[in-house]
Amino acid sequence: NAGVTQTPKFRILKIGQSMTLQCTQDMNHNYMYWYRQDPGMGLKLIYYSVGAGITDKGEVPNGYNVSRSTTEDFPLRLELAAPSQTSVYFCASSYSGGAGGNQPQHFGDGTRLSIL
Amino acid sequence: DAKTTQPTSMDCAEGRAANLPCNHSTISGNEYVYWYRQIHSQGPQYIIHGLKNNETNEMASLIITEDRKSSTLILPHATLRDTAVYYCIVRVRKSGGYNKLIFGAGTRLAVHP
Repeated sequence: NAGVTQTPKFRILKIGQSMTLQCTQDMNHNYMYWYRQDPGMGLKLIYYSVGAGITDKGEVPNGYNVSRSTTEDFPLRLELAAPSQTSVYFCASSYSGGAGGNQPQHFGDGTRLSIL
Repeated sequence: DAKTTQPTSMDCAEGRAANLPCNHSTISGNEYVYWYRQIHSQGPQYIIHGLKNNETNEMASLIITEDRKSSTLILPHATLRDTAVYYCIVRVRKSGGYNKLIFGAGTRLAVHP
């Protein structure tokens, strides 16, 4: 019953460092998403993918990159960490099927990232 | 994209029904209403969704008005573990097929003994 798994759970970075947030799902979902959540706010979409090899920008993509080489994995990369990227990052996945494609998104438990 | 309006916070006594309102007056005919909740420091958890008919599952009921401009999430017998932030979201089907969920600030529900 793994669902969506994110690693690491916590990380502290120095300004200018890079890192990759990992996300994997075992539900064979074709759609995957990355969100960030700042304190007291709702989630904002960073990037999404509708299948292996296909990615696109969401609302707040600047400073991030993604790749989707397999159905299961959707890593998020920060190339030059900045204090404004301090946030909680959530990965989600969903299935595109169903009437109108109305399948819900399933979320991981997040990665808490601090940039100092 | 349709936006939603929810009260900032609500209280509910344990064992009572919790009724969480949501306004989505600009919703379009093909946009679904979704409800998620987020328990402290966890990822959002899907609760229920609907288009125009009322829906019920093992967690909650969703009542959508006939004009679809508002809805109410009902937790029939709230427990302390239902204390969370509840998000009412209008799902927009974007070109390319993905579902865009627009998260607002949600309603902070506090269930007390």
